[in-house]
Amino acid sequence: DSGVTQTPKHLITATGQRVTLRCSPRSGDLSVYWYQQSLDQGLQFLIQYYNGEERAKGNILERFSAQQFPDLHSELNLSSLELGDSALYFCASSVVRGSSYNEQFFGPGTRLTVL
Amino acid sequence: ELKVEQNPLFLSMQEGKNYTIYCNYSTTSDRLYWYRQDPGKSLESLFVLLSNGAVKQEGRLMASLDTKARLSTLHITAAVHDLSATYFCAVDPRRLGSQGNLIFGKGTKLSVKP
Repeated sequence: DSGVTQTPKHLITATGQRVTLRCSPRSGDLSVYWYQQSLDQGLQFLIQYYNGEERAKGNILERFSAQQFPDLHSELNLSSLELGDSALYFCASSVVRGSSYNEQFFGPGTRLTVL
Repeated sequence: ELKVEQNPLFLSMQEGKNYTIYCNYSTTSDRLYWYRQDPGKSLESLFVLLSNGAVKQEGRLMASLDTKARLSTLHITAAVHDLSATYFCAVDPRRLGSQGNLIFGKGTKLSVKP
């Protein structure tokens, strides 16, 4: 158990819908990262937040957005869902941006199925 | 753009044999990570390699880093069935001004057969 929690574990929804994935980082970790894992694209970085602020963006679609709240939990919002958005979504957390290294601990993931 | 390439992508081994997984990356970095993923599960951190020449061992797995060659290896000694999983290497391209997100290879799916 990495200490990173994600809810829900599974989500089944229809095309065009909107869903919210939630992540709580390990105690003391200020950075939260979102990754998408799919068979064709592999593991792709989506977005990073540090202490409530957006720090880096990767291959995140405009239909997707995220935020980190004052208690440091984060939410990833996916809207106008398409079949191709079906994937495993991971949240990871690490201590601080400026630490000497950046070991990231991954949550159990949310499996999203879009029908 | 930083690219991380692993090979092989699929590896079928017999128990008791040795093998090496390779991870090449395209730009300067001195932070490389190895993760393990079981089917449908999360990623488990195996090794953190932070400098040229770093070598770390845990059980039957040993990882090394050559930053000059931009190469990391994950060596498996006397494989056992429990090692069957997908192994990912990931590079932190911090020197490119990133904020610490990781770039992952495609993963090596290891299957150890009796």
